Amino acid sequence: GENVEQHPSTLSVQEGDSAVIKCTYSDSASNYFPWYKQELGKGPQLIIDIRSNVGEKKDQRIAVTLNKTAKHFSLHITETQPEDSAVYFCAASYPGFQKLVFGTGTRLLVSP
Amino acid sequence: EAQVTQNPRYLITVTGKKLTVTCSQNMNHEYMSWYRQDPGLGLRQIYYSMNVEVTDKGDVPEGYKVSRKEKRNFPLILESPSPNQTSLYFCASSFSYRENQPQHFGDGTRLSIL
Repeated sequence: GENVEQHPSTLSVQEGDSAVIKCTYSDSASNYFPWYKQELGKGPQLIIDIRSNVGEKKDQRIAVTLNKTAKHFSLHITETQPEDSAVYFCAASYPGFQKLVFGTGTRLLVSP
Repeated sequence: EAQVTQNPRYLITVTGKKLTVTCSQNMNHEYMSWYRQDPGLGLRQIYYSMNVEVTDKGDVPEGYKVSRKEKRNFPLILESPSPNQTSLYFCASSFSYRENQPQHFGDGTRLSIL
């Protein structure tokens, strides 16, 4: 079955810096890769997703890149702000199938 | 407001006392799923449902039951809870099981089994 590894487990940056979180997946059949942000006391919330026919996707300060050959994908947050502090999860899913396999999460702390 | 609602949000109970965590979505979604979140393990799927009366096991189904009698509701049942089921539980839903769709999560239920 699919296995997703996520690094780093914690990441501390200064406000305004960039943050990068990396994930690798094991099953080359996976074709959908969402990223979720989880704030304290809340459920995960989708912030961006990418499908395997696209190499990069941007939404304002957030971008995701996908390297299918290497089977890894990354979340990039530019100009970080204190409100970006949260736990971020990557996930992977097979085509036509809703099951998400999650990474173990990255706790991002943005200091003012 | 489109949402997934879980109840209760917090519960402390004892080993062996049956409990049910309810989940309801108001988006007419076909697909619903339960996850548990444990430190260092991320979210792991317990059970999922592709539509009414269609349920199947996820990765960690032991000790849990589910039912899907109505499209909007997907309760999680612990018939005889044990301490290793102490965890943070999330219900999620998405529009269709047929292709990858964003999943919407509830705010979680923290269960402590003593």
